[in-house]
Amino acid sequence: GNSVTQMEGPVTLSEEAFLTINCTYTATGYPSLFWYVQYPGEGLQLLLKATKADDKGSNKGFEATYRKETTSFHLEKGSVQVSDSAVYFCALGPRGYNKLIFGAGTRLAVHP
Amino acid sequence: DTGVSQDPRHKITKRGQNVTFRCDPISEHNRLYWYRQTLGQGPEFLTYFQNEAQLEKSRLLSDRFSAERPKGSFSTLEIQRTEQGDSAMYLCASSFLAMESGKAEAFFGQGTRLTVV
Repeated sequence: GNSVTQMEGPVTLSEEAFLTINCTYTATGYPSLFWYVQYPGEGLQLLLKATKADDKGSNKGFEATYRKETTSFHLEKGSVQVSDSAVYFCALGPRGYNKLIFGAGTRLAVHP
Repeated sequence: DTGVSQDPRHKITKRGQNVTFRCDPISEHNRLYWYRQTLGQGPEFLTYFQNEAQLEKSRLLSDRFSAERPKGSFSTLEIQRTEQGDSAMYLCASSFLAMESGKAEAFFGQGTRLTVV
């Protein structure tokens, strides 16, 4: 079946630290992959996406590369800020399925 | 247009009561999705509409749940005879094209938090 597994949180970092949040997936065919972010009190927002193997999605200093060989889509940022504190969701859009499948979310807390 | 809006933001109801939530999507979006999110979990798909047609329903959507999108504009999600297990955040999203294709961004509302006591 289709599923997403992402690393458990919370992840606690100091400002300017390097961030990695791991995400792996199981899917048939060639899905689209997404990272969504949920800031406190707000709705989910699309952070970045990749629609085919080896694509790199990037936005606001965050990056993730669609790795078909390892079925992964890890989120990275070179230098986090306090304002990046949020919950991050990895999501899968399987071909032919009219929905997104989300991981459980990873809470990130960045301290000054 | 300021985005997807959901009403109410919070709802507390007694077990056995009926509740209805409303979602107003971005006006030009033809796809509308409902998701449910429980504490510590990611959103789970419930159903989606293309214009006014409800094209898919998850098995999570028991017969106590019904969703409508009259005239392809706003949508309502009704839960009849609520149970404590229905307590969750109910999210609405809209997009112009299929969000799962990656060709169009989906915009989520802030959700309606339901507490069944």
